Formats: sequence, structure tokens, C-alpha cells
Amino acid sequence: EAQVTQNPRYLITVTGKKLTVTCSQNMNHEYMSWYRQDPGLGLRQIYYSMNVEVTDKGDVPEGYKVSRKEKRNFPLILESPSPNQTSLYFCASSKALDLNTGELFFGEGSRLTVL
Amino acid sequence: GQNIDQPTEMTATEGAIVQINCTYQTSGFNGLFWYQQHAGEAPTFLSYNVLDGLEEKGRFSSFLSRSKGYSYLLLKELQMKDSASYLCAVTDSNYQLIWGAGTKLIIKP
Repeated sequence: EAQVTQNPRYLITVTGKKLTVTCSQNMNHEYMSWYRQDPGLGLRQIYYSMNVEVTDKGDVPEGYKVSRKEKRNFPLILESPSPNQTSLYFCASSKALDLNTGELFFGEGSRLTVL
Repeated sequence: GQNIDQPTEMTATEGAIVQINCTYQTSGFNGLFWYQQHAGEAPTFLSYNVLDGLEEKGRFSSFLSRSKGYSYLLLKELQMKDSASYLCAVTDSNYQLIWGAGTKLIIKP
């Protein structure tokens, strides 16, 4: 089954404790992206990657890191989480050629709470 | 700046028709998209418009007017399962997706 898998789905952590949210897709997609979704603000892009070893900042990259060592994986790293990073996070992927059609495939989301 | 506006919330009756509007101001335009998102779930792709006019897909239709920076999503024969948020998004000149905050649609029996 074609899917984007994120882990963990839910996490409560404390300020400053490094964490990683993993994202994996099995569709051989070149493009992957991380979003955060907050009430009233819509989806905001954190980082994206057009292919292996290629990453770029989105609209709200501060406080986050990513890597793209393999095509299927695109982990999101919070080196020192803060309460303002409490949010719902989505990983998404797409074929690069389909970017202009906008059909992104989303993971189920990771709800992160930073105390 | 780039901006996408859509109503925060709408209510409609089962079996009726509802139109969700979206207006946008972006640096360039390479397409407009509608996604559906049920509460607590991931967004799923509904439609894509790049040329002016109406695209019909079953009970859902999407309209675009590039000159007016305007789109709408039309849902017919509403069902309870259509209760969800509907997200409007535009691809700008750099092929980056700009998202609206979403419209929460409440369907009443």
C-alpha cells in the first residue's frame, strides 16, 4: 500500500530535550516536505527536499533541522524544543513532476506537545 | 505579501449544496488546489485548477478565475461524511504551495 508513515504519532516532551520525528514514504517520490499546522494559521512549510541530499528552508524553519540521506526518509529534528513548537506536524511527498499539480500525499500527522 | 482568504466556518444541511470561496494574492500563479481534511486526519487531494473555468468531479466541482484571483469549491448532495475542513492552496511562481487557513464545514441533518 502506498503511504507516508510518520512516527511518533503523539509525543509529550519537555523544553530542551532533543527529539526526531521520522517520515518514510514507499512511493519513490523525489519531493518531500514538512509542515506544521496550528489553529487559524493553516499549513506552514518548515523544510522541503527536492531529492536526496537537497534540502531547502520553507516559511518557518527556525528551530528545526532536516536531512535527506535516502530517498524514502526525511526526518525532522528539533534540537532544543520549545513550547512554541507545540503543534501538529505533517510530512508529505510527491513526484517531482507532479509538484505543479499539487497532489501531495500526507502522513497521518504527529501531534507534539512541548512542556 | 502572499495571502489566501477563505471563510473560517460554514454550516449546511444534508442533501443541500454549498459553495466555499477562496480568494488569493500571490507572487505568481501556477495552479490552485483544494484539499479535504477530516478532524485529526491528514489532508487529502480533491481538485486542481490551472485554467479558468469549472472542473467537475462527481459531487465536487471547483471553479477558477485567474483574473479575479478567485476560486470556489462546490459540494452537491451533501452527506454527513462531508463534514470536514476544506483547504485552498496556490502554487506560486517558485512552485511553492501557499495554504489558506481552511474552512470548517458543518453538515446538519
